[in-house]
Amino acid sequence: GQQLNQSPQSMFIQEGEDVSMNCTSSSIFNTWLWYKQDPGEGPVLLIALYKAGELTSNGRLTAQFGITRKDSFLNISASIPSDVGIYFCAGQNTNAGKSTFGDGTTLTVKP
Amino acid sequence: GAVVSQHPSWVICKSGTSVKIECRSLDFQATTMFWYRQFPKQSLMLMATSNEGSKATYEQGVEKDKFLINHASLTLSTLTVTSAHPEDSSFYICSAVLAGGVVHEQFFGPGTRLTVL
Repeated sequence: GQQLNQSPQSMFIQEGEDVSMNCTSSSIFNTWLWYKQDPGEGPVLLIALYKAGELTSNGRLTAQFGITRKDSFLNISASIPSDVGIYFCAGQNTNAGKSTFGDGTTLTVKP
Repeated sequence: GAVVSQHPSWVICKSGTSVKIECRSLDFQATTMFWYRQFPKQSLMLMATSNEGSKATYEQGVEKDKFLINHASLTLSTLTVTSAHPEDSSFYICSAVLAGGVVHEQFFGPGTRLTVL
């Protein structure tokens, strides 16, 4: 089946620094999604991307849908302690909402 | 809006018993719900797609007789882990797709942590 490679696996940064993580796939997706999961909770949708090349922002978060439709990246600017968590990318190809998830990037922000 | 609840939030059971987990969309109707399993520090693995009024579609490698799914109404899907064993211990998360909404929008529940002794 389709697999998503997400990197880096983990990041340790200082508060105020910018963060960048990405997701690549061996096959194309029609929709790319970025989620954040706090410990013991379900994922929460951060940004959804629908078109190749699309660049979308949500506050300090910016994500882009790669031109080849096989990759996406997420940037977080001026990180704060509450950004701590696991960030997942997900790709969709159907209209039924079924998603393939990446392995996640664990972000730790030191105050 | 678009809140999904799960009950229970955690459960501990003895090996061989069955456990039922409920997933409810509280303020919207969901024709489709998904069930995921997540091991510590790992990604979400889709187990099955639950459609209201029809049989669930299971992913390859997931035993349908082991993980029984019932989507009896537009707001409720249940996952029953039958004859649970320690290897079934995991974090189970459901998500619900807003009926008639933007197709990608699935809203996740808070998860249920199952520990089988």
